[in-house]
Amino acid sequence: GQNIDQPTEMTATEGAIVQINCTYQTSGFNGLFWYQQHAGEAPTFLSYNVLDGLEEKGRFSSFLSRSKGYSYLLLKELQMKDSASYLCAANQAGTALIFGKGTTLSVSS
Amino acid sequence: DGGITQSPKYLFRKEGQNVTLSCEQNLNHDAMYWYRQDPGQGLRLIYYSQIVNDFQKGDIAEGYSVSREKKESFPLTVTSAQKNPTAFYLCASSMGTPMNTEAFFGQGTRLTVV
Repeated sequence: GQNIDQPTEMTATEGAIVQINCTYQTSGFNGLFWYQQHAGEAPTFLSYNVLDGLEEKGRFSSFLSRSKGYSYLLLKELQMKDSASYLCAANQAGTALIFGKGTTLSVSS
Repeated sequence: DGGITQSPKYLFRKEGQNVTLSCEQNLNHDAMYWYRQDPGQGLRLIYYSQIVNDFQKGDIAEGYSVSREKKESFPLTVTSAQKNPTAFYLCASSMGTPMNTEAFFGQGTRLTVV
């Protein structure tokens, strides 16, 4: 079967670093996406990992371990505008993205 | 500007009526997708299409229908057979499947059954 797990909620303060974990089980795995979604809006692309290792993009980094079925999204120097839901999605070969339920991040001052 | 457009943004329908949600893209993407999102939930796949005149069921296709007569358009019909249609519907497109390139999402249609 297919299953993607990530924490439901996380809280952090401005300027801090937060790591959002995601574990996945899916057949025909072909990469892992992270999306950001503000309430009532469309998801926006953050990162894509297909090989093991760390991808860095400004304040955001994403890590993948295919052997462990594990990924994380690292957000540095948190800002209030980073308060949003973060969606982990596994790319299933031949079909479409399979999404987790999302992690709601609340950043406080 | 290239993009993916969903209309309308808000839609109300009476119970028992069919309703069609529009999704148009001018990105020249081959693949298009429909997802449903409920409060506190992730996105669940309804239907997807890899090429014109072809589409496949996703995880929750019951009560929905689609067509892909043109590359640019992938409308979704919510039929009266869908037992709980109130939700946020998102359309997406990508260069192809698997989606190993960035997928672009429309702004969504919030459907409320009254």
